[in-house]
Amino acid sequence: GAGVSQSPRYKVAKRGQDVALRCDPISGHVSLFWYQQALGQGPEFLTYFQNEAQLDKSGLPSDRFFAERPEGSVSTLKIQRTQQEDSAVYLCASSFAGSTNEKLFFGSGTQLSVL
Amino acid sequence: DAKTTQPTSMDCAEGRAANLPCNHSTISGNEYVYWYRQIHSQGPQYIIHGLKNNETNEMASLIITEDRKSSTLILPHATLRDTAVYYCIVVLTSGTYKYIFGTGTRLKVLA
Repeated sequence: GAGVSQSPRYKVAKRGQDVALRCDPISGHVSLFWYQQALGQGPEFLTYFQNEAQLDKSGLPSDRFFAERPEGSVSTLKIQRTQQEDSAVYLCASSFAGSTNEKLFFGSGTQLSVL
Repeated sequence: DAKTTQPTSMDCAEGRAANLPCNHSTISGNEYVYWYRQIHSQGPQYIIHGLKNNETNEMASLIITEDRKSSTLILPHATLRDTAVYYCIVVLTSGTYKYIFGTGTRLKVLA
């Protein structure tokens, strides 16, 4: 596809369930970001990959959150033992070379609701 | 970390220029100013960015003050489709880089 693709678009989980959110970046993009956006708030940084290397995971809120990008393309954000405060939109973004002088392309996000 | 300050909300009449201000008083010399916007239920969309000089593209103009402590995004002829949340962002650089979004300005274009 032409853009960043995220799946599923919506996810409902019972508290305590594990979830996995997928991001397909634009082909050839080196950098990949995950953001969390609570209702009415701006996106908050979670983690950053350059190729398969996770260079920054300082935004992950707890050890229940785990992200991977094993082959430097598709990425998965996993949340274990989900809690109600994890309810948010999870956004993925990618950029071509990982420079600060280039724009990010965002997906439409996965809206996670934890009941 | 450089942070940005933006008004919470603004209104603009359709067809008029929308001028959205942003303060980034702690910006460092090598940090770019970016503007993104987010329409409901979509991911943020890039608008424009700059370092020191003013910039213009097909969507907007970016005016950065000489001391780089503030900037203004200008939408020259706002349309109803420009109604969105606009984020002014300074990209932090320390080996890796991250965008700190803040809460943005909710722009409402009025018919």
